[in-house]
Amino acid sequence: AQSVTQLDSQVPVFEEAPVELRCNYSSSVSVYLFWYVQYPNQGLQLLLKYLSGSTLVKGINGFEAEFNKSQTSFHLRKPSVHISDTAEYFCAVRTQGGSEKLVFGKGTKLTVNP
Amino acid sequence: NAGVTQTPKFQVLKTGQSMTLQCAQDMNHEYMSWYRQDPGMGLRLIHYSVGAGITDQGEVPNGYNVSRSTTEDFPLRLLSAAPSQTSVYFCASVKGRTGELFFGEGSRLTVL
Repeated sequence: AQSVTQLDSQVPVFEEAPVELRCNYSSSVSVYLFWYVQYPNQGLQLLLKYLSGSTLVKGINGFEAEFNKSQTSFHLRKPSVHISDTAEYFCAVRTQGGSEKLVFGKGTKLTVNP
Repeated sequence: NAGVTQTPKFQVLKTGQSMTLQCAQDMNHEYMSWYRQDPGMGLRLIHYSVGAGITDQGEVPNGYNVSRSTTEDFPLRLLSAAPSQTSVYFCASVKGRTGELFFGEGSRLTVL
């Protein structure tokens, strides 16, 4: 069965600083990878996804992530964050050719301070 | 375009009571699922369905029941509520295996 580890539960940064949110996964088969964002008191929305092809994936709001198969990682990055990026971010994995079940990490709370 | 609609948004129950969380989607998605979100635990899959008439258990199914009589609706039933079921519940749907999950806005349940 697949699993997802988000290495940091909380990440505080200052506005306009770069940020990286780390995600590692475990699976014996090929996977699809996703990052979701949850703003306070809201549901989750998709930031970006990796299905195949280029390992660098660009998403909404200036975020990007890089799939590294050898390190089984899918870290999320943004070169300059805004106050409005304060939210909880979830990494998720689904196996290729398997069921549609999506397995989530425990989340990383990003707090952007002025 | 409503997407995924959950009702109610808030509910308070007493231990032992039963209730149903409703979920409806208007995107003709085959796959629907229920997750619960607890602080520090991320989202955990309760039950899912790959189409009308087909359901299966996720990671934390105990105490919950589901059915899928139509493509649109996927209700989650709490048979005898317990304080451990206090949580925020999210319904989600997706079309196909590579599509994104579309989430409802969540239902916050408190069991006293």
